Amino acid sequence: AQSVTQLGSHVSVSEGALVLLRCNYSSSVPPYLFWYVQYPNQGLQLLLKYTSAATLVKGINGFEAEFKKSETSFHLTKPSAHMSDAAEYFCAVSERDSNYQLIWGAGTKLIIKP
Amino acid sequence: NAGVTQTPKFQVLKTGQSMTLQCAQDMNHNSMYWYRQDPGMGLRLIYYSASEGTTDKGEVPNGYNVSRLNKREFSLRLESAAPSQTSVYFCASSEYGGYTDTQYFGPGTRLTVL
Repeated sequence: AQSVTQLGSHVSVSEGALVLLRCNYSSSVPPYLFWYVQYPNQGLQLLLKYTSAATLVKGINGFEAEFKKSETSFHLTKPSAHMSDAAEYFCAVSERDSNYQLIWGAGTKLIIKP
Repeated sequence: NAGVTQTPKFQVLKTGQSMTLQCAQDMNHNSMYWYRQDPGMGLRLIYYSASEGTTDKGEVPNGYNVSRLNKREFSLRLESAAPSQTSVYFCASSEYGGYTDTQYFGPGTRLTVL
């Protein structure tokens, strides 16, 4: 069965530093990949998604992610962290074997240090 | 556009009590979902409705029932609440339920079962 692994339940970076949040999936068939963000006490909202077009996907708020088939990864990056980026980030995949339902990672809480 | 709305925002139940969580969307979406979110576990799908008139079990359906009342509304019922159902519940909707669809989330219901 498909699984999604997010490395690090908490990631702490300084304001202005590079943000890197890691996501790996287990499928041998390239799935469709998503990053969602959850701000405190809110629902989730889509940051970006990969749907087999360009492997480098740009999202909202300056985030981007690169699909690397050889590494089964879809890591999320942002060149310069802002205090407003403090949130929990979820990676998710969908594929035929899961009836196209989303399989979610456990989430990574991003902490921004002033 | 209100998007996806959920009621109530908070609820405390005693073991064995019943309640219904309400969800409505005003985006004319065909598909709707109920998730639960527990710390360190990401989101787990309870039930989904691919279209009006259909419902299907997700990953963790035991102890829950759903009703797709019409295209806009999708309710989740706990018939006899248990402490293991203490969680944050999210309703979501998407246009077609396809594998590249964006899901839009409500603000969540925080449920505590004593």
